[in-house]
Amino acid sequence: QKEVEQDPGPLSVPEGAIVSLNCTYSNSAFQYFMWYRQYSRKGPELLMYTYSSGNKEDGRFTAQVDKSSKYISLFIRDSQPSDSATYLCAMSVLVDTGGFKTIFGAGTRLFVKA
Amino acid sequence: KAGVTQTPRYLIKTRGQQVTLSCSPISGHRSVSWYQQTPGQGLQFLFEYFSETQRNKGNFPGRFSGRQFSNSRSEMNVSTLELGDSALYLCASSLAAVTEAFFGQGTRLTVV
Repeated sequence: QKEVEQDPGPLSVPEGAIVSLNCTYSNSAFQYFMWYRQYSRKGPELLMYTYSSGNKEDGRFTAQVDKSSKYISLFIRDSQPSDSATYLCAMSVLVDTGGFKTIFGAGTRLFVKA
Repeated sequence: KAGVTQTPRYLIKTRGQQVTLSCSPISGHRSVSWYQQTPGQGLQFLFEYFSETQRNKGNFPGRFSGRQFSNSRSEMNVSTLELGDSALYLCASSLAAVTEAFFGQGTRLTVV
């Protein structure tokens, strides 16, 4: 079983729809939860991060973490064609060398149709 | 402020050769991490350097190595290339916090 599970999609939605992207994880030690967006032929771009259960909002994006269920979500409101990209969840835990171990999900490909 | 720069962007190598990839982090960033991204395995952590010291290492064979220089620039080397090493290699830099990592555009390596 992978430490982080993410449905690779693809997910296709009409413009203006609310998009829900999800990841589950098995390692309860994870402390930081991030969402990245990756456009084709580009490197991932950090969208949001959080370290506690609950919601965090930034514009049209809301990140939600439920540590008890080991489940995180990213919601995109009023989706736009420019949101079409691959969305990767990532989770990190501090390791005893002083750095972090970060595990990425497989990424969900999102298509927003105009 | 300049972003993370990776060179070269594209590379074609033959099996058995070795390759060196370069990463220049954002000015002031001391942590540099390397990742391999493939369609089948996704984004996998290779290693992280902080102030010229390898702080973390992923589960890759010893053919994959790296180093960091005093100006925080980093290189990774892959020796005895295999077809399965074909991938997008990404570098990410941060001041210190894992939550503020910035990625470069990657180096697309093709092994033939």
